[in-house]
Amino acid sequence: AQRVTQPEKLLSVFKGAPVELKCNYSYSGSPELFWYVQYSRQRLQLLLRHISRESIKGFTADLNKGETSFHLKKPFAQEEDSAMYYCALAIYRDDKIIFGKGTRLHILP
Amino acid sequence: DVKVTQSSRYLVKRTGEKVFLECVQDMDHENMFWYRQDPGLGLRLIYFSYDVKMKEKGDIPEGYSVSREKKERFSLILESASTNQTSMYLCASSLRGITYNEQFFGPGTRLTVL
Repeated sequence: AQRVTQPEKLLSVFKGAPVELKCNYSYSGSPELFWYVQYSRQRLQLLLRHISRESIKGFTADLNKGETSFHLKKPFAQEEDSAMYYCALAIYRDDKIIFGKGTRLHILP
Repeated sequence: DVKVTQSSRYLVKRTGEKVFLECVQDMDHENMFWYRQDPGLGLRLIYFSYDVKMKEKGDIPEGYSVSREKKERFSLILESASTNQTSMYLCASSLRGITYNEQFFGPGTRLTVL
């Protein structure tokens, strides 16, 4: 069964410290993974996708097929990073996306 | 700039009422989706549609129905609202048949059923 697991509901990190939001997936096909973010009072939006191998707002995420993980990382947290983060797995047979339950990132001053 | 709009930001209804949530997108996207967002449960797919007059059940379709009469509009219907349908409802759209397709979300409708 396809599944996305985000083990942390809440992650509190001091400003300037490194951030790692964990995501593990279960999927028999070739995975296409995303991170979506929702800032306070804003709509949910795409942060980055693994195929692009890009860094957005200082965040990166590497797909590790051996560990079936797609952890989101940033070396130095900023206060504006406080938000809800969702890891997502694309199911291309159906054009659907399966979302994890989300991790709320709280950056402490 | 992709724009997905939802008819209401906040809605309060009574148990047993019929509720319509409307979503409109202006980018000619084929796919449209309805999710509910609950703390600790994340986003759960209710229904989605690949084209006009087409619909597919998502993970939690019970108690809901949908309508897609025009490409740009996707409606979510609660035939008889219940208190356990109190939630944030998000609409999204995406292109069809394009790999790595991003979903674009509306601002959400917070529905309270009393």
